[in-house]
Amino acid sequence: IVMTQSPLSLPVTPGEPASISCRSSQSLLDSNLNNYLVWYLQKPGQSPQLLIYLGSNRAAGVPDRFSGSGSGTDFTLKISRVEAEDVGVYYCMQALQTPITFGQGTRLDIK
Amino acid sequence: QVQLQESGPGLVKPSETLSLTCPVSGASVSSRNYYWAWIRQPPGKGLEWIGYVYYNGNINYNPSLTSRVTISLDTSRNQFSLRLNSLTAADTAVYYCASGYCVGGGCQLYYFDFWGQGTLVTVSS
Repeated sequence: IVMTQSPLSLPVTPGEPASISCRSSQSLLDSNLNNYLVWYLQKPGQSPQLLIYLGSNRAAGVPDRFSGSGSGTDFTLKISRVEAEDVGVYYCMQALQTPITFGQGTRLDIK
Repeated sequence: QVQLQESGPGLVKPSETLSLTCPVSGASVSSRNYYWAWIRQPPGKGLEWIGYVYYNGNINYNPSLTSRVTISLDTSRNQFSLRLNSLTAADTAVYYCASGYCVGGGCQLYYFDFWGQGTLVTVSS
């Protein structure tokens, strides 16, 4: 399954919203009505950290300014008000089937 | 809190074999709720799933690496390992070990939740 993110670069002013799109080449929705789409943030020099799973469920400890939406093949990660600590590369990943695949990444920078 | 830490050589010669281990604390590699995974990231590039092993010995590999990779589980030491042979410069990357939470009898992967800090492996003579 090919994962395609856009944009690849996203400069954002602090306090402003941000949105990242992720599209999959096949539907990630299974018979249990779960979308196996995951979002990660990789901060500079760090390992990826889990943000969102099953398309829209925030992981423990993730601020509520992060939200995930979408179903099937089209998904979106939204940050309601970007903060300086949100800089890094955002990846989507499909967990539906092997081989597990990631998007190319979207680099978010502060203007 | 699950903790993982990759260990292995930072420099390997072309055509040789890379061996990495990942000791796990805070969880058992015999757990039915986890896959134990290897993921890599070439410098400045994106993430590539290498493969994962389940407590019962079931293993899935990335088809792009199947002919060269072996992932194994050591329940006595609560760790898992990666071997990648016939190395080339294209295998230069940060290698991560990670835990993959799964649900149900078929262990459907939900996400990779805990990651090691990563270890840079450079393939060069």
